[in-house]
Amino acid sequence: AQSVTQPDIHITVSEGASLELRCNYSYGATPYLFWYVQSPGQGLQLLLKYFSGDTLVQGIKGFEAEFKRSQSSFNLRKPSVHWSDAAEYFCAVGARDSSYKLIFGSGTRLLVRP
Amino acid sequence: DTEVTQTPKHLVMGMTNKKSLKCEQHMGHRAMYWYKQKAKKPPELMFVYSYEKLSINESVPSRFSPECPNSSLLNLHLHALQPEDSALYLCASSQDQSLPTFFGQGTRLTVV
Repeated sequence: AQSVTQPDIHITVSEGASLELRCNYSYGATPYLFWYVQSPGQGLQLLLKYFSGDTLVQGIKGFEAEFKRSQSSFNLRKPSVHWSDAAEYFCAVGARDSSYKLIFGSGTRLLVRP
Repeated sequence: DTEVTQTPKHLVMGMTNKKSLKCEQHMGHRAMYWYKQKAKKPPELMFVYSYEKLSINESVPSRFSPECPNSSLLNLHLHALQPEDSALYLCASSQDQSLPTFFGQGTRLTVV
C-alpha cells in the first residue's frame, strides 16, 4: 500500500535562511509526487509535481524538489525563506493508475522567525 | 481562469438541516473531487467524478450525497449531519486521467 511520511511536524527557520522539508514515500513503483502548501483556513495550492523526467523539479514561489528513487524521497527546498512562506506543507503520492487517489502525508508546519 | 471556486466559504447547520456545498471550475477539467479535512490533519478523499460520472466513493456515509450536474459544477448535498462532520470541505479538479492539481479555498462547515 502507498504511504507518505513527513517526519517533521514543525520546522522553524529564520527569514532568509534556506529550507528543506522532508518527504519519504512507500510505493511499489515510481509514483506521481506532489507538494502542496496550505495557509491557515485556506485551500491547498500546488507548489510542484513530479511525473517523470528530470528528477529536479522547479515549482512556484522559488521552491524546488528532488526525486531520489534510491532513497524513496521527494524533499522540498527553498534557498531563502520569506515570512510569507509560513504555512502547512503537504507531500502527496498518487498511484500511476486510474484510481485518482492522492495519499497525503501528515504535513509539516513551517514557522518563520523575523 | 485557473480557479476552483467554492461556496459558501462558511456554513453553520443544525443536525436536522439540509444544505448544499457548491464547487465550480471553468478550466475544462473533466475530473472533480471532494475532500474532507479535519483540523491539523491532511485532506481525505471522499468522492471522485470523472466525466460527470461518480467513479470513486470512499465509503462515505449516505448523509453526504454528491452530484455533478455538468462538467463545470460539483455539489455536495448534506442532510442529517453529525457534529463530528464539522470540517473543511475541499473541492479539487484536474484534467482527465490525472490527479487533483487545483483546489478550491474550501467551505468551513460547523454542525451544531
